Amino acid sequence: GENVEQHPSTLSVQEGDSAVIKCTYSDSASNYFPWYKQELGKGPQLIIDIRSNVGEKKDQRIAVTLNKTAKHFSLHITETQPEDSAVYFCAASSQAGTALIFGKGTTLSVSS
Amino acid sequence: GAVVSQHPSRVICKSGTSVKIECRSLDFQATTMFWYRQFPKQSLMLMATSNEGSKATYEQGVEKDKFLINHASLTLSTLTVTSAHPEDSSFYICSAPPTDGTDTQYFGPGTRLTVL
Repeated sequence: GENVEQHPSTLSVQEGDSAVIKCTYSDSASNYFPWYKQELGKGPQLIIDIRSNVGEKKDQRIAVTLNKTAKHFSLHITETQPEDSAVYFCAASSQAGTALIFGKGTTLSVSS
Repeated sequence: GAVVSQHPSRVICKSGTSVKIECRSLDFQATTMFWYRQFPKQSLMLMATSNEGSKATYEQGVEKDKFLINHASLTLSTLTVTSAHPEDSSFYICSAPPTDGTDTQYFGPGTRLTVL
């Protein structure tokens, strides 16, 4: 089955810096890669996603890149703000409507 | 985006009792819903797939007789933790993909279960 590896497990940055979180997946059939932000005691919130027919997607300060050949995808957050502090999870799935397989999460701390 | 609700948001129960958690898709229909469990400082682990009108499918290692799932309608799935024990204490989260064939999955806010 699918296995998703996520790095780093913790990331501390200064406000205004960029943050990059990387994930690799094992199943070449995976074609959907969402990123979720989870705040303490809350459910995951979708922040951006990318499908395998696209190499990059951007939404304001957030971008995701996908390298299908290497089977890895990354989350980029620019101009970080303290409210970006949370746990970020990458995930993968191979078919619409199937369960997501999650990475282990990255705790991002943005200090002002 | 679409909204998924869960009830209750938190519950405390005594060891040996049963607890029911509801997951509702509020503005879309979901023939499938997923139940995840998340222990502190860990990732979400898929427990089972809830299928409307048929039996749920469980992931390896998840006891189907302990975690009863009922998906009675296109907007409601319930997870019942039977004979709960302290090791069942966790954060239970459901998700639902819309039936329009899109990939996007919407998660509920989660239910914090504490078994004393």
